[in-house]
Amino acid sequence: QVQLQESGPGLVKPSETLSLTCSVSGGSISSYYWTWIRQPPGKGLEWIGYIYYSGTTNYNPSLKSRLTISVDTSKNQFSLKLTSVTAADTAVYYCARWIDSGFGIFEYWGRGTLVTVSS
Amino acid sequence: DIVMTQSPDSLAVSLGERATINCKSSQSVLYSSNNNNYLAWYQHKPGQPPKLLIYWASTRESGVPDRFSGSGSGTDFTLTISSLQAEDVAVYYCQQYFDTPYTFGQGTKLEIK
Repeated sequence: QVQLQESGPGLVKPSETLSLTCSVSGGSISSYYWTWIRQPPGKGLEWIGYIYYSGTTNYNPSLKSRLTISVDTSKNQFSLKLTSVTAADTAVYYCARWIDSGFGIFEYWGRGTLVTVSS
Repeated sequence: DIVMTQSPDSLAVSLGERATINCKSSQSVLYSSNNNNYLAWYQHKPGQPPKLLIYWASTRESGVPDRFSGSGSGTDFTLTISSLQAEDVAVYYCQQYFDTPYTFGQGTKLEIK
């Protein structure tokens, strides 16, 4: 059974960079699409972007100028970097894997990690 | 962006009764070349990650009880729970994967009456 685990600082200062890593166990990161999704407190789900194991990415235009998603197949991990954060970036951040057949259907999810942007 | 709008925002249903949640997309998510609707439903309980219930608008994910069903096509979709159980209390989201950015509905909170 594939398992995903988010890790990274729970507190980030405004204007700094938010960095998170998703570690994948129980399966290879290869041949799948991997994604980041977030949920601000009291709000709904927002798709951040995805990366294919080969490195191909697609970002939400609302975040594209500040966002980098990368993959490290040797460590079976993928990562998110979001620059110049503000309080609006405070959210639970989830990593997820697409279903086998792809298409942006999110089958496996990490438990999520809360990131608070505050000085 | 494709805007997904769910109704109602919240819903209270008695145990054993039917619950119906609606989802409307701002443009069709039906891909004519394969006749598939690019629409999924998720269940989200507090402190847990969202759980995939339904995809392709009506295909139940493995392990999901058959009291959950999805229907609809084009721009109008429905998630139905045929006989509500206590463990179904959650927020439910629809999501389109027809085009990026993938977008979710605002969520429908389902409670026991």
